[in-house]
Formats: sequence, C-alpha cells, structure tokens
Amino acid sequence: AQKVTQAQTEISVVEKEDVTLDCVYETRDTTYYLFWYKQPPSGELVFLIRRNSFDEQNEISGRYSWNFQKSTSSFNFTITASQVVDSAVYFCALTPIYNQGGKLIFGQGTELSVKP
Amino acid sequence: DGGITQSPKYLFRKEGQNVTLSCEQNLNHDAMYWYRQDPGQGLRLIYYSQIVNDFQKGDIAEGYSVSREKKESFPLTVTSAQKNPTAFYLCASSIRDRGNTIYFGEGSWLTVV
Repeated sequence: AQKVTQAQTEISVVEKEDVTLDCVYETRDTTYYLFWYKQPPSGELVFLIRRNSFDEQNEISGRYSWNFQKSTSSFNFTITASQVVDSAVYFCALTPIYNQGGKLIFGQGTELSVKP
Repeated sequence: DGGITQSPKYLFRKEGQNVTLSCEQNLNHDAMYWYRQDPGQGLRLIYYSQIVNDFQKGDIAEGYSVSREKKESFPLTVTSAQKNPTAFYLCASSIRDRGNTIYFGEGSWLTVV
C-alpha cells in the first residue's frame, strides 16, 4: 500500500519565523518520486519540487529547502523567514517512477498561516 | 501563454442534472487527469488519460465520465449518479515520459443546489 501522511493539519507562525512541514510516506516500490505542491487561496496547485528516490541530497531554493531521508521515509519542507505570501495549503505527494498512470498519492495537506 | 484552462470556475447544479467541466491544455502534454478535492482533504483521482481515445478509471470514478477526443482536451461530466458531487475539481496534465511531474489548472467549484 502507498500512503502519504502529513500529521500537521494547521500551522500558524508569525512573519520571519522558520517553519517546517512534515511529510512521511509509505511505499513498497523501490523507485519513486516525491513532490511538494502549494495551494494558495485561489485554488490552483503550484508545483514546488520533485525528488526521486535515488537522490537523497537536500535541496535549497531561495527561502525553501527540502530534507529527504529515505531511512525514515520522510520528505520535510522548511520555509526560512516566512512571509505572509507563504500562507497556503501545502501538499506532499508520492508516485512510483514507472507508474504509467501518473497517479499521485496525496497527503491530507498542511494549512500554513503566516501572520504579519 | 502555455497552461491548463478550466471552465467554468464556479458552477451550480440542480440535483438530477448532468454537468460538464471543461479542461484544455496547450502544453502539448500527453497525459491528462481529473482530481477531486473535498474541504480539508487531499486530492483523489477520478480519471486519467495517457493518450487520445484512451482513459482509465481512478480511485473514485463512479458517477463520472470523461472523453479524450483531442490531445488538448479532457472534459469531465458529473452525472446524476454521483451522490455527493459538491467539491473542487482540478484538471492536470503531464509529459508522459518525463518523470510524472503533474501540472494543475486553477480548478472548478461545483455546488449542488
């Protein structure tokens, strides 16, 4: 069975604080991709990052960073110096690399509220 | 501009009526998808299509139908058989052989009145 768990339903921080969104996944596949998407109030899902299971290097993109640890089946997302514009629902997702159906398994999402 | 266009943004349906949500993409993507999102929940796959004239059921296909007559278009019909159709519907697409990164449209809100 494949499953993605985002245990944090809601997080509220004050602007400029750092915040980490947790994602834990389960899969029997040895090769897979992990994703993070951002869903602002407008509703569209915005692609943030894709990581394949062979690459455990952490990645940094501006204020965003991702920590992939295969040993703990986690793919956590950190926002440094958060801003009000970061307020959104964030989804972690999983798909096998060879899945021709393209099915994404989504977590329940974490709603981040950044207050000024 | 390249992207995925969904219409209408908001739709109200009377019980017993079928409604069709439009999805068009000009990204030249091979695969297209429909997901449903309920408040406070993740996304669930309704249908997907990898090539023209072919599509497969996802996890919650009952009460829905699709067609894929053109590469750029993948309309979703919510039939009267769908018992609880009020939800947010997201269309998506991907380049089939590029590691499955899926890009999403802006979504359509469907409300049954």
